[in-house]
Amino acid sequence: EIVLTQSPVTLSLSPGERATLSCRASQSVRTFLAWYQHQPGQAPRLLIYDASNRATGIPARFSGSGSGTDFTLTINSLEPEDFAVYYCQQRSNWALTFGGGTKVEIK
Amino acid sequence: QVQLVESGGGVVQPGRSLRLSCAASGFIFSNYGMHWVRQAPGKGLEWVAVISYDGSNQDYRDSVKGRFTISRDNSKNTLYLQMNSLRPDDTAVYYCAKEKGVLPYFDSWGQGNLVTVSS
Repeated sequence: EIVLTQSPVTLSLSPGERATLSCRASQSVRTFLAWYQHQPGQAPRLLIYDASNRATGIPARFSGSGSGTDFTLTINSLEPEDFAVYYCQQRSNWALTFGGGTKVEIK
Repeated sequence: QVQLVESGGGVVQPGRSLRLSCAASGFIFSNYGMHWVRQAPGKGLEWVAVISYDGSNQDYRDSVKGRFTISRDNSKNTLYLQMNSLRPDDTAVYYCAKEKGVLPYFDSWGQGNLVTVSS
């Protein structure tokens, strides 16, 4: 099973700042990695798939990069609705696995 | 628009069974692979099971193999998860999720259904 490690666990930022989230895989997942946003009490939302492709309807302030074992989700100029928990997920190997999550909180 | 509505959760004793359902609408259900993903209290997301678009193939995470069965009825646009021999560590919110095209990413999710395994 591929283990995904996300860092930091918590990121405290103000609206308008840039958020940089990291996801590291225990072995190469090529570019087969996605990012999700999860608000409390809501369904998770797909943001980025295959490392750098924005999903339908996702604002341009969200961008993804990386390949192999190191990936980054960047959120430019945080909006109030962006404060949430973010998960990465790999599809390189079965079983599909998620990272432990990064909580982006208001500073 | 895509809608996934789960039902069937609740409180159950260890060792007992429960069946979750997920009613789908707003897309051609029989064209897509479907998954169950869960989130234990205070924990992250965890993939549980997948079924192919036509129901011919299934796969599970190791901890539920032999206890859980994923199935679908394409005539009813409904996904199921039969959970047997439930354990306290199966306590979680269970989400059904639709694949993005042929890729095992999840582009639509249900609102989640809480399953609590407790005596």
